[in-house]
Amino acid sequence: DTGVSQNPRHKITKRGQNVTFRCDPISEHNRLYWYRQTLGQGPEFLTYFQNEAQLEKSRLLSDRFSAERPKGSFSTLEIQRTEQGDSAMYLCASSLGLAGGAGTDTQYFGPGTRLTVL
Amino acid sequence: AQSVTQLDSQVPVFEEAPVELRCNYSSSVSVYLFWYVQYPNQGLQLLLKYLSGSTLVKGINGFEAEFNKSQTSFHLRKPSVHISDTAEYFCAVARGYGGSQGNLIFGKGTKLSVKP
Repeated sequence: DTGVSQNPRHKITKRGQNVTFRCDPISEHNRLYWYRQTLGQGPEFLTYFQNEAQLEKSRLLSDRFSAERPKGSFSTLEIQRTEQGDSAMYLCASSLGLAGGAGTDTQYFGPGTRLTVL
Repeated sequence: AQSVTQLDSQVPVFEEAPVELRCNYSSSVSVYLFWYVQYPNQGLQLLLKYLSGSTLVKGINGFEAEFNKSQTSFHLRKPSVHISDTAEYFCAVARGYGGSQGNLIFGKGTKLSVKP
């Protein structure tokens, strides 16, 4: 168990540029989550995958945001035309989901990718 | 919709003293409750969770929490803290059934500062 990994750990970009983050979950975990955390706030849910299917998207996930998990393993989160308000820590988590809903799952978090938009 | 309120943004305490970090939630449906800890420059780590059964839940590092349905609270306690407990603590809820079960809703966090 090597834990959830995220790359890059830090990203500085200029407003209007596109950025992509990668998350590698714990290998046998079938569920994967993205959250955003801004200074002084708790993480806010963005989206959730079960295997390769994106089951839920938050209203926070505007049209400029897209997430994929093409083979049910790693996931990418892309932000197009970045804005200064996108500056935040982007967290990925994974869980081993058994039958039933994800509410009981223990989510294991990665260290996050800190995005700074200048 | 669910929400989580952590009543204290910062809690300073001396080493070996007891501590309680308060968490209240609101929800119209049954929920599962979690406490996570975030050490500097590290990811969130689960301390404990309440799913059902005994309302007193024991977690790692000597922490425990008590689920109180009538008061909609899930306060975290430790009888004697160490310097190494200095971190930020987050309370979170997940829906017990229906949609959005994968959506953890977090409080704003409580920074615990343990002084020698």
